[in-house]
Amino acid sequence: GQNIDQPTEMTATEGAIVQINCTYQTSGFNGLFWYQQHAGEAPTFLSYNVLDGLEEKGRFSSFLSRSKGYSYLLLKELQMKDSASYLCAVRVFDRGSTLGRLYFGRGTQLTVWP
Amino acid sequence: ETGVTQSPTHLIKTRGQQVTLRCSSQSGHNTVSWYQQALGQGPQFIFQYYREEENGRGNFPPRFSGLQFPNYSSELNVNALELDDSALYLCASRRTPGQGARGGNTIYFGEGSWLTVV
Repeated sequence: GQNIDQPTEMTATEGAIVQINCTYQTSGFNGLFWYQQHAGEAPTFLSYNVLDGLEEKGRFSSFLSRSKGYSYLLLKELQMKDSASYLCAVRVFDRGSTLGRLYFGRGTQLTVWP
Repeated sequence: ETGVTQSPTHLIKTRGQQVTLRCSSQSGHNTVSWYQQALGQGPQFIFQYYREEENGRGNFPPRFSGLQFPNYSSELNVNALELDDSALYLCASRRTPGQGARGGNTIYFGEGSWLTVV
């Protein structure tokens, strides 16, 4: 089966840096996504990694190590509006789907304090 | 604004009833996936449709069924509702270059339909 783990909760203060880790055990790996989800809203796309290394996009960066089955999302200069759930999702190509499917972790609820 | 619209946004059904949830995607988004998200959990893959045919299914019973239409809209139908079906149902769409191609990295989610079964 597919297994994706991430911490349930994290807290940080405004202006700080926080790193949210995600470990996965999957077969047919074809990329890792990070999504942000505010309460009662749809997930919104943050980043995509398919090769090892760091992808930077403004205040957000995402890292992937395929050999270790590990990724992290780095959020810099935290703002109150960053309080949300952060979902790690792995795309796999497995039996029955020629286009791949996403497997999500449970999400990490980040609370940013003033 | 993702261009993916779901309806209804909230609904309450009684155990044993049937429900149809709808999703309207952007023009050209030929691939649609449906997810179930229980409170405090990540989304769980239900199934995916590509060019109006099912292309992958998660661990959900047959009473969960779907349709995709030529106008880029789709439906999720759930029969014989159970209390555990209470969840947020998300539709996600993308453009796939061609069957078997490993493209379509940008996946757009709708706002979801909150279903409560009592």
